[in-house]
Amino acid sequence: AQSVTQLDSHVSVSEGTPVLLRCNYSSSYSPSLFWYVQHPNKGLQLLLKYTSAATLVKGINGFEAEFKKSETSFHLTKPSAHMSDAAEYFCVVRRAEADRDDKIIFGKGTRLHILP
Amino acid sequence: DAGVTQSPTHLIKTRGQHVTLRCSPISGHKSVSWYQQVLGQGPQFIFQYYEKEERGRGNFPDRFSARQFPNYSSELNVNALLLGDSALYLCASSLLPLHSYEQYFGPGTRLTVT
Repeated sequence: AQSVTQLDSHVSVSEGTPVLLRCNYSSSYSPSLFWYVQHPNKGLQLLLKYTSAATLVKGINGFEAEFKKSETSFHLTKPSAHMSDAAEYFCVVRRAEADRDDKIIFGKGTRLHILP
Repeated sequence: DAGVTQSPTHLIKTRGQHVTLRCSPISGHKSVSWYQQVLGQGPQFIFQYYEKEERGRGNFPDRFSARQFPNYSSELNVNALLLGDSALYLCASSLLPLHSYEQYFGPGTRLTVT
């Protein structure tokens, strides 16, 4: 079984300050982990993914995430927030190995607010 | 290049009716997945198809069904609609149904059940 928990439903940061969006996962199998962003009235876009290579993953728009197996976490960070980062962010877990019973589990989302 | 396309964009149905939603994947992509996103929630996985076969299924009742055609496009069917089926239905395509291949999402179909 797999599950993913996003620890904060809303996060507010000031423009230019660091961003931290927290995600914990549970998986019976080796997981692949993803972060997606959804801007208002726009489609979901992949930010970055972990697929059992390097544990520190760099994504688009300056975002990165670190896979920590001991803590079952995959937190998303950015050194300096920009107004355009305001959006909904989703953490996603998926079984790493190919399987005919593949399931893709989204977290409930974290709304990121950027304060001027 | 065209991205994932979905039709219709909006739909209003009455309880008990049936609905069919359509998805065309990115050219060359062979796998299609369907998700339901209720307002204020994350997308919930419904189905994944590859080469016209179901590869994965989420926790949805049998009222939900899907199929994939030889050209890799897909349909999602929902029977006996309930008010709770009101949601944004998202389709995503990928080259192959493997974790290492990115899923590209369409804009969704907004279904309202009255």
